[in-house]
Amino acid sequence: EDKVVQSPLSLVVHEGDTVTLNCSYEVTNFRSLLWYKQEKKAPTFLFMLTSSGIEKKSGRLSSILDKKELFSILNITATQTGDSAVYLCAVESYNAGNMLTFGGGTRLMVKP
Amino acid sequence: DVKVTQSSRYLVKRTGEKVFLECVQDMDHENMFWYRQDPGLGLRLIYFSYDVKMKEKGDIPEGYSVSREKKERFSLILESASTNQTSMYLCASRENSPLHFGNGTRLTVT
Repeated sequence: EDKVVQSPLSLVVHEGDTVTLNCSYEVTNFRSLLWYKQEKKAPTFLFMLTSSGIEKKSGRLSSILDKKELFSILNITATQTGDSAVYLCAVESYNAGNMLTFGGGTRLMVKP
Repeated sequence: DVKVTQSSRYLVKRTGEKVFLECVQDMDHENMFWYRQDPGLGLRLIYFSYDVKMKEKGDIPEGYSVSREKKERFSLILESASTNQTSMYLCASRENSPLHFGNGTRLTVT
């Protein structure tokens, strides 16, 4: 059974801090790992990672995948209150059709 | 831009009622999904469908059924709602792309 574990469960920081969110996984026939941000409504897509060691970057957010150690990190630099959300990690495998297995999420709160 | 629309944002139902949650997508995606989201448990897949009239069980199908009569519409049915089905329900669709989610339906069963 595919498994995705995110840590920490929750995190409180102050504006301007840098945070690192972790995602480890166990999956057969790995296809991709995805990060989503969820505020009050639908999760919105952030990154899709398929190759080890290649950093994906979007503004203050960046993510990297390590397929040997089976984990990914999501970094947010110079955090802002608008970064407060639940961050979800999901993995896709070739075995499971088009299904994704999600982790439990990390709840980030950024205080002014 | 892909739009996934869930018919209700909030629903309150009584134990034993039959409940329909509707989801419509406008991008002609073949694959549609129903998840439930509970604190600390993340998103868990209930059912998915890869074509009209086709359905597959996810991780937690018990107590639910689905219907996909048209490509754009995927319905989740709670045959006899129970209090442990109180949750946030998220519909999603995709076609060789990241999942696109609807805004969710928060269902409370009393």
